[in-house]
Amino acid sequence: GENVEQHPSTLSVQEGDSAVIKCTYSDSASNYFPWYKQELGKGPQLIIDIRSNVGEKKDQRIAVTLNKTAKHFSLHITETQPEDSAVYFCAASLNYKLSFGAGTTVTVRA
Amino acid sequence: DGGITQSPKYLFRKEGQNVTLSCEQNLNHDAMYWYRQDPGQGLRLIYYSQIVNDFQKGDIAEGYSVSREKKESFPLTVTSAQKNPTAFYLCASSLFADSGNTDTQYFGPGTRLTVL
Repeated sequence: GENVEQHPSTLSVQEGDSAVIKCTYSDSASNYFPWYKQELGKGPQLIIDIRSNVGEKKDQRIAVTLNKTAKHFSLHITETQPEDSAVYFCAASLNYKLSFGAGTTVTVRA
Repeated sequence: DGGITQSPKYLFRKEGQNVTLSCEQNLNHDAMYWYRQDPGQGLRLIYYSQIVNDFQKGDIAEGYSVSREKKESFPLTVTSAQKNPTAFYLCASSLFADSGNTDTQYFGPGTRLTVL
Protein backbone atom coordinates (compact mmCIF):
# COMPACT_ATOMS: atom_id res chain seq x y z
CA GLY A 1 0.00 0.00 0.00
CA GLU A 2 0.84 3.66 -0.03
CA ASN A 3 3.22 5.10 2.58
CA VAL A 4 3.18 8.84 3.25
CA GLU A 5 5.83 10.61 5.31
CA GLN A 6 5.37 14.17 6.57
CA HIS A 7 7.91 16.67 7.92
CA PRO A 8 8.34 18.47 10.20
CA SER A 9 6.19 17.11 13.01
CA THR A 10 6.08 20.53 14.68
CA LEU A 11 6.59 23.99 13.23
CA SER A 12 6.65 27.32 15.04
CA VAL A 13 6.59 30.52 12.98
CA GLN A 14 6.35 34.22 13.69
CA GLU A 15 3.11 35.84 12.60
CA GLY A 16 3.51 37.13 9.06
CA ASP A 17 6.21 34.63 8.13
CA SER A 18 5.74 31.65 5.81
CA ALA A 19 5.27 28.01 6.77
CA VAL A 20 6.23 25.04 4.61
CA ILE A 21 5.27 21.41 5.20
CA LYS A 22 6.66 18.60 3.05
CA CYS A 23 5.36 15.13 2.29
CA THR A 24 6.69 12.19 0.33
CA TYR A 25 4.77 9.20 -1.00
CA SER A 26 5.86 5.77 -2.11
CA ASP A 27 3.53 4.66 -4.91
CA SER A 28 3.91 6.47 -8.21
CA ALA A 29 0.33 5.47 -9.12
CA SER A 30 -1.13 7.84 -6.49
CA ASN A 31 -2.99 10.57 -8.32
CA TYR A 32 -4.64 12.88 -5.80
CA PHE A 33 -3.09 14.80 -2.92
CA PRO A 34 -5.29 16.69 -0.44
CA TRP A 35 -4.25 18.75 2.57
CA TYR A 36 -6.38 18.95 5.69
CA LYS A 37 -6.39 21.31 8.66
CA GLN A 38 -7.56 19.96 12.00
CA GLU A 39 -8.33 22.07 15.03
CA LEU A 40 -8.39 20.56 18.49
CA GLY A 41 -11.31 18.20 19.02
CA LYS A 42 -12.70 18.68 15.50
CA GLY A 43 -12.74 16.78 12.26
CA PRO A 44 -10.21 17.58 9.50
CA GLN A 45 -11.20 20.23 6.99
CA LEU A 46 -9.99 20.17 3.41
CA ILE A 47 -7.98 23.32 2.70
CA ILE A 48 -6.49 22.58 -0.72
CA ASP A 49 -5.87 19.65 -3.01
CA ILE A 50 -3.95 18.86 -6.17
CA ARG A 51 -4.20 16.19 -8.82
CA SER A 52 -1.33 14.46 -10.55
CA ASN A 53 -1.78 16.31 -13.83
CA VAL A 54 -1.04 19.66 -12.15
CA GLY A 55 2.25 20.91 -10.73
CA GLU A 56 1.05 23.78 -8.56
CA LYS A 57 -2.18 25.20 -7.20
CA LYS A 58 -2.81 28.34 -5.20
CA ASP A 59 -5.73 29.62 -3.15
CA GLN A 60 -5.13 33.01 -1.53
CA ARG A 61 -2.40 32.49 1.11
CA ILE A 62 -2.17 28.74 0.57
CA ALA A 63 -0.34 26.92 -2.21
CA VAL A 64 0.55 23.32 -2.93
CA THR A 65 3.28 22.03 -5.23
CA LEU A 66 3.68 18.53 -6.59
CA ASN A 67 6.80 16.86 -7.97
CA LYS A 68 5.72 13.53 -9.43
CA THR A 69 9.23 12.50 -10.42
CA ALA A 70 10.54 12.88 -6.89
CA LYS A 71 7.21 11.75 -5.38
CA HIS A 72 6.87 14.66 -3.02
CA PHE A 73 4.44 17.50 -2.48
CA SER A 74 4.47 20.54 -0.23
CA LEU A 75 2.09 22.97 1.44
CA HIS A 76 3.04 26.63 1.61
CA ILE A 77 1.23 29.12 3.84
CA THR A 78 2.24 32.75 3.40
CA GLU A 79 1.62 35.69 5.73
CA THR A 80 0.70 33.37 8.58
CA GLN A 81 -1.94 34.47 11.09
CA PRO A 82 -2.78 33.18 14.58
CA GLU A 83 -5.83 31.36 13.18
CA ASP A 84 -3.49 29.25 11.05
CA SER A 85 -2.38 27.46 14.23
CA ALA A 86 -3.60 23.86 13.91
CA VAL A 87 -2.51 20.37 12.91
CA TYR A 88 -2.07 19.89 9.17
CA PHE A 89 -2.23 16.52 7.42
CA CYS A 90 -1.17 15.58 3.94
CA ALA A 91 -2.59 12.54 2.16
CA ALA A 92 -2.15 10.57 -1.04
CA SER A 93 -4.90 8.72 -2.86
CA LEU A 94 -4.44 5.31 -4.44
CA ASN A 95 -7.45 3.34 -5.67
CA TYR A 96 -9.84 5.81 -3.99
CA LYS A 97 -8.26 5.22 -0.59
CA LEU A 98 -6.42 7.97 1.26
CA SER A 99 -3.18 7.35 3.15
CA PHE A 100 -2.29 10.10 5.62
CA GLY A 101 0.91 11.54 6.92
CA ALA A 102 1.40 11.74 10.70
CA GLY A 103 0.60 15.45 10.84
CA THR A 104 2.39 18.74 11.50
CA THR A 105 1.47 20.90 14.47
CA VAL A 106 1.81 24.52 13.38
CA THR A 107 2.03 27.26 15.97
CA VAL A 108 1.92 30.89 14.86
CA ARG A 109 3.53 33.21 17.43
CA ALA A 110 2.00 36.66 17.75
CA ASP B 1 -17.97 19.53 8.63
CA GLY B 2 -20.33 19.89 5.69
CA GLY B 3 -23.40 17.66 5.78
CA ILE B 4 -21.84 14.88 7.81
CA THR B 5 -22.97 14.29 11.37
CA GLN B 6 -21.54 11.92 13.94
CA SER B 7 -23.03 10.99 17.25
CA PRO B 8 -22.39 10.95 20.06
CA LYS B 9 -19.53 13.43 20.43
CA TYR B 10 -18.21 11.60 23.50
CA LEU B 11 -18.76 7.94 24.32
CA PHE B 12 -17.67 5.89 27.29
CA ARG B 13 -17.59 2.12 27.27
CA LYS B 14 -16.80 -0.53 29.78
CA GLU B 15 -14.43 -3.29 28.80
CA GLY B 16 -16.22 -6.21 27.16
CA GLN B 17 -19.04 -4.11 25.74
CA ASN B 18 -19.84 -3.50 22.10
CA VAL B 19 -20.65 0.08 21.12
CA THR B 20 -22.00 1.59 17.89
CA LEU B 21 -20.96 4.97 16.50
CA SER B 22 -23.35 6.76 14.19
CA CYS B 23 -22.47 8.52 10.93
CA GLU B 24 -25.04 10.21 8.69
CA GLN B 25 -24.53 12.32 5.55
CA ASN B 26 -26.93 14.38 3.44
CA LEU B 27 -24.47 15.15 0.64
CA ASN B 28 -25.80 12.37 -1.62
CA HIS B 29 -22.33 10.83 -1.58
CA ASP B 30 -22.02 7.18 -2.53
CA ALA B 31 -18.78 6.42 -0.68
CA MET B 32 -18.31 6.52 3.08
CA TYR B 33 -15.30 5.81 5.28
CA TRP B 34 -14.32 5.23 8.90
CA TYR B 35 -10.95 6.29 10.28
CA ARG B 36 -9.30 5.98 13.64
CA GLN B 37 -7.01 8.73 14.99
CA ASP B 38 -4.62 8.24 17.89
CA PRO B 39 -2.62 11.07 19.52
CA GLY B 40 0.32 12.17 17.40
CA GLN B 41 -0.62 9.93 14.52
CA GLY B 42 -2.29 10.27 11.18
CA LEU B 43 -5.66 8.82 10.30
CA ARG B 44 -5.88 5.08 9.70
CA LEU B 45 -8.62 3.52 7.59
CA ILE B 46 -10.89 1.01 9.33
CA TYR B 47 -13.61 0.28 6.73
CA TYR B 48 -14.99 1.90 3.62
CA SER B 49 -18.06 1.50 1.48
CA GLN B 50 -18.40 2.64 -2.13
CA ILE B 51 -22.04 1.64 -2.53
CA VAL B 52 -25.02 0.53 -0.48
CA ASN B 53 -24.88 -3.06 0.80
CA ASP B 54 -21.17 -3.34 0.07
CA PHE B 55 -18.08 -2.50 2.15
CA GLN B 56 -14.39 -3.41 2.34
CA LYS B 57 -11.86 -3.72 5.11
CA GLY B 58 -9.29 -1.01 5.50
CA ASP B 59 -5.89 -1.25 7.14
CA ILE B 60 -7.05 -1.86 10.73
CA ALA B 61 -10.45 -3.63 10.50
CA GLU B 62 -9.87 -6.21 13.24
CA GLY B 63 -12.30 -5.75 16.14
CA TYR B 64 -14.66 -3.52 14.13
CA SER B 65 -17.77 -4.12 12.05
CA VAL B 66 -19.91 -1.94 9.78
CA SER B 67 -23.13 -2.01 7.81
CA ARG B 68 -24.38 0.03 4.85
CA GLU B 69 -28.10 -0.50 4.54
CA LYS B 70 -28.83 3.07 3.47
CA LYS B 71 -26.88 5.50 1.33
CA GLU B 72 -26.98 8.13 4.06
CA SER B 73 -25.82 5.98 6.96
CA PHE B 74 -22.65 4.03 7.77
CA PRO B 75 -22.58 2.96 11.45
CA LEU B 76 -19.42 1.53 13.00
CA THR B 77 -19.53 -1.05 15.80
CA VAL B 78 -16.51 -1.34 18.05
CA THR B 79 -16.61 -4.86 19.41
CA SER B 80 -15.09 -6.33 22.55
CA ALA B 81 -12.50 -7.97 20.29
CA GLN B 82 -10.86 -4.58 19.71
CA LYS B 83 -8.06 -4.61 22.27
CA ASN B 84 -7.31 -0.90 22.40
CA PRO B 85 -10.45 0.97 21.33
CA THR B 86 -9.83 4.31 23.05
CA ALA B 87 -9.38 6.78 20.18
CA PHE B 88 -10.96 9.55 18.13
CA TYR B 89 -13.15 8.10 15.36
CA LEU B 90 -13.81 10.04 12.17
CA CYS B 91 -16.34 9.36 9.45
CA ALA B 92 -15.94 10.74 5.94
CA SER B 93 -17.77 10.63 2.63
CA SER B 94 -16.97 11.26 -1.03
CA LEU B 95 -18.57 11.00 -4.45
CA PHE B 96 -18.61 7.61 -6.16
CA ALA B 97 -15.54 6.36 -8.01
CA ASP B 98 -16.50 7.35 -11.52
CA SER B 99 -17.26 10.97 -10.79
CA GLY B 100 -14.90 13.85 -11.52
CA ASN B 101 -14.11 14.66 -7.89
CA THR B 102 -14.45 11.23 -6.38
CA ASP B 103 -11.36 11.36 -4.23
CA THR B 104 -12.32 14.43 -2.24
CA GLN B 105 -13.29 13.24 1.20
CA TYR B 106 -15.22 15.40 3.65
CA PHE B 107 -15.08 14.62 7.34
CA GLY B 108 -17.56 14.69 10.17
CA PRO B 109 -16.80 16.22 13.60
CA GLY B 110 -15.72 12.92 15.16
CA THR B 111 -16.59 10.78 18.16
CA ARG B 112 -14.17 10.38 21.04
CA LEU B 113 -14.46 6.88 22.52
CA THR B 114 -13.01 6.13 25.93
CA VAL B 115 -12.90 2.67 27.44
CA LEU B 116 -13.16 2.73 31.21
